[in-house]
Parts: sequence; structure tokens; C-alpha cells
Amino acid sequence: NAGVTQTPKFRILKIGQSMTLQCTQDMNHNYMYWYRQDPGMGLKLIYYSVGAGITDKGEVPNGYNVSRSTTEDFPLRLELAAPSQTSVYFCASSYSGRDTEAFFGQGTRLTVV
Amino acid sequence: DAKTTQPNSMESNEEEPVHLPCNHSTISGTDYIHWYRQLPSQGPEYVIHGLTSNVNNRMASLAIAEDRKSSTLILHRATLRDAAVYYCILRAPRGGGGADGLTFGKGTHLIIQP
Repeated sequence: NAGVTQTPKFRILKIGQSMTLQCTQDMNHNYMYWYRQDPGMGLKLIYYSVGAGITDKGEVPNGYNVSRSTTEDFPLRLELAAPSQTSVYFCASSYSGRDTEAFFGQGTRLTVV
Repeated sequence: DAKTTQPNSMESNEEEPVHLPCNHSTISGTDYIHWYRQLPSQGPEYVIHGLTSNVNNRMASLAIAEDRKSSTLILHRATLRDAAVYYCILRAPRGGGGADGLTFGKGTHLIIQP
């Protein structure tokens, strides 16, 4: 059972480039989330989804887009990368809302230069 | 959203119990109390959660005050592997489902001395 899988693990982007961070879960969870973590800080929610075809903004959505075409996949798209998007990105999933545990991926470390 | 207050850091000795406190004086009646931990260079890992009653699992115990304005995560016998940042989080409903995820603060950096 793989849990939540994120790819790639590391990436260096040039300013203005675009990329997609992939996230897949094999637990049939309805809820999925994207977070970013800056050095020495807690995680901040970027976007979340409560099921296929449904997404909503979190605390820091600017500069990002998401889609949820299947239950398993929740890709995060960065358009026109900026140095401020240098961070570690974590994807998470949970079966339902506040009374269930969330499972996190191992993260993608992104550097924008 | 209701916020939590945790000490920035705590130290403990290996093989001793650890009590990690968390204050959440503005908690509402439907907020669940969650604890996660993050080991260096890893994603957060679920530890335990509860609503009103104390909870136990294989990793830890969660003691919740009667007024729910504070809670304590108890690691019964700390090991070096328990050195991590521990986050106390209130998972609140928005639109009824709590789907907006977990709001992370800075957490408590737990240092375990051998």
C-alpha cells in the first residue's frame, strides 16, 4: 500500500517556467490537499478538493492551479514560477473531514532561480 | 479559525515520558483536536486525535481538559526517533465537512537527549 505518492522529489525551475507537481493516493480518499512549507514555518494550505471535479482555494492559492479529474490524482500546477514559490510542497489525503486522520506524501522540494 | 498555543521547544530524556501541552482557549464545540508530528525532511505524520474524551493509541495518549481549552499529548516512553516537531491542530468544520484541511502553526520542537 503506497499511500500518498508525490513526484518529483526535487526540482529546480527558472523564473517564468511552469511545471506540474503530481500527487496520487491509493486509499480511495475523497479529500485531498496541497500545502507548502517555507523554512522554519508550519504548513500553509494552497488548495483542497472534497471529491473528483470539486476544488477550492486554501490560504495561499495565488500562482497555483489544481484539477481533480479522478479520485486518485490531484496535480498542482505552477504557472510563471517566481522565487517566492521556492518551498517544500506536500500533498495529503483523508477519507473525510475533521474526524479522520490525514496522510501526507514525502514532499517535493522546489527551488526557483 | 480557533488557534492553538504551544511551547516553541521542549527537551526530554530517552526512555522517559513526555508531556506536550497545547492551549486552545477559543475552541468551539465541534472542533476536533489533532496532533501531527514532522520528522526532519519528512512529511507530517498523524499521531492522534480526539473530541472530548481522552484517547489512546499505539503511538501516544491524548488527554483533553474537561473544558476542552487545553490538551496534552503524552509519549509514554520517548525514543530518539520521537525527536520531531509536534503540531497541535484544531480541525474545524467549514461548510459542515472540515474539508479546508489542517491549519498548522509552528509547533513544538521536541529534543530527546540520549
